[in-house]
Amino acid sequence: DAGVIQSPRHEVTEMGQEVTLRCKPISGHNSLFWYRQTMMRGLELLIYFNNNVPIDDSGMPEDRFSAKMPNASFSTLKIQPSEPRDSAVYFCASSSRSTGSDIQYFGAGTRLSVL
Amino acid sequence: AQSVTQLDSHVSVSEGTPVLLRCNYSSSYSPSLFWYVQHPNKGLQLLLKYTSAATLVKGINGFEAEFKKSETSFHLTKPSAHMSDAAEYFCVVDPPSNDYKLSFGAGTTVTVRA
Repeated sequence: DAGVIQSPRHEVTEMGQEVTLRCKPISGHNSLFWYRQTMMRGLELLIYFNNNVPIDDSGMPEDRFSAKMPNASFSTLKIQPSEPRDSAVYFCASSSRSTGSDIQYFGAGTRLSVL
Repeated sequence: AQSVTQLDSHVSVSEGTPVLLRCNYSSSYSPSLFWYVQHPNKGLQLLLKYTSAATLVKGINGFEAEFKKSETSFHLTKPSAHMSDAAEYFCVVDPPSNDYKLSFGAGTTVTVRA
């Protein structure tokens, strides 16, 4: 299995622009997580999907952030408009809690720089 | 509720010497515990997992961790550090089965001196 695949790996954009991060979870996994990692705050859970349904988005910082999971093999995290304080590494992770395996497998991340 | 404390933010060792990364946890239930490693510019990779089957857990790359309930600790060790072990290490507590939020420690950065 190729693991969790994220794209792009790096994104540099200007303040005010829309940014879309993409994630392909491991095939067969039914849970998907978006995290943000910064030096100041460490790893923060932004949103959790189970069976393509958003279960908990309480970690989404504000309305500028939105996430979708249109099918079991694809999810997006969108920031519109982007701000310099959104600069961070964004990780996607997937797991298969329904089978009893609760290990989260992480993608390589997207490093976002908002100028 | 559960929480994790990694007692050292930074550990520096010489190549070939032992590595010890300390982790204490608090939990109201019998937790599953993990250690993840993050190499520079990479995602988090699972090193090992404790699920109550055995208190001494062996992981990848020669790492192992011992669960001590009486001390609420889950320290990570490796007998001989290699340059490739330079990375950040996270101790993580798994929530109970009706929850999904992992509790991450703040991380320990390991540097390995030649």
